[in-house]
Amino acid sequence: TQLLEQSPQFLSIQEGENLTVYCNSSSVFSSLQWYRQEPGEGPVLLVTVVTGGEVKKLKRLTFQFGDARKDSSLHITAAQPGDTGLYLCAGAQYNFNKFYFGSGTKLNVKP
Amino acid sequence: EAQVTQNPRYLITVTGKKLTVTCSQNMNHEYMSWYRQDPGLGLRQIYYSMNVEVTDKGDVPEGYKVSRKEKRNFPLILESPSPNQTSLYFCAKWEDRVYEQYFGPGTRLTVT
Repeated sequence: TQLLEQSPQFLSIQEGENLTVYCNSSSVFSSLQWYRQEPGEGPVLLVTVVTGGEVKKLKRLTFQFGDARKDSSLHITAAQPGDTGLYLCAGAQYNFNKFYFGSGTKLNVKP
Repeated sequence: EAQVTQNPRYLITVTGKKLTVTCSQNMNHEYMSWYRQDPGLGLRQIYYSMNVEVTDKGDVPEGYKVSRKEKRNFPLILESPSPNQTSLYFCAKWEDRVYEQYFGPGTRLTVT
């Protein structure tokens, strides 16, 4: 059983559309991170959220940490083909040394 | 620039033949970890290390060993590999209290 449930697993959309990816848990995390992974490469960190209710923006990407620090969302506005990839959420619990990853959302943005 | 290197990138081996995957970092970070990535399961933590000679189990440590004799290196050892250890392996590092993990490029291991 995954500690972090990510949805949807797959998403195929047209360029210009908006989308939201969800990362949910029944556990509380001290921080939550979002990564993007390209085929054949390691995950690359996009953002870290630490405070409940926190919202961070990275160009067209908006990240939100739930008030109770159990869930997070990633919203992409006007998706572009360059956004194609595997998006992973990861939570760190209070001892900071263990990270739990969601199973990932595979995004395909068609031109 | 923070870097993590892994070797080899690809490895095909047979059941029971001991192997080591190396991992090195260039930033003197205390924390390092090994993950395996399998379809539909995301990344699962195998072992992590908080400093030289200090290691602890992650979620899936069975069948693996690690060592941390110096800060920059954190090798993953499979004493007797089995086919269920066929996977994509990543090494990562991060600073204490900074939650940003830097990942290596991955090692694709196939055990026949």
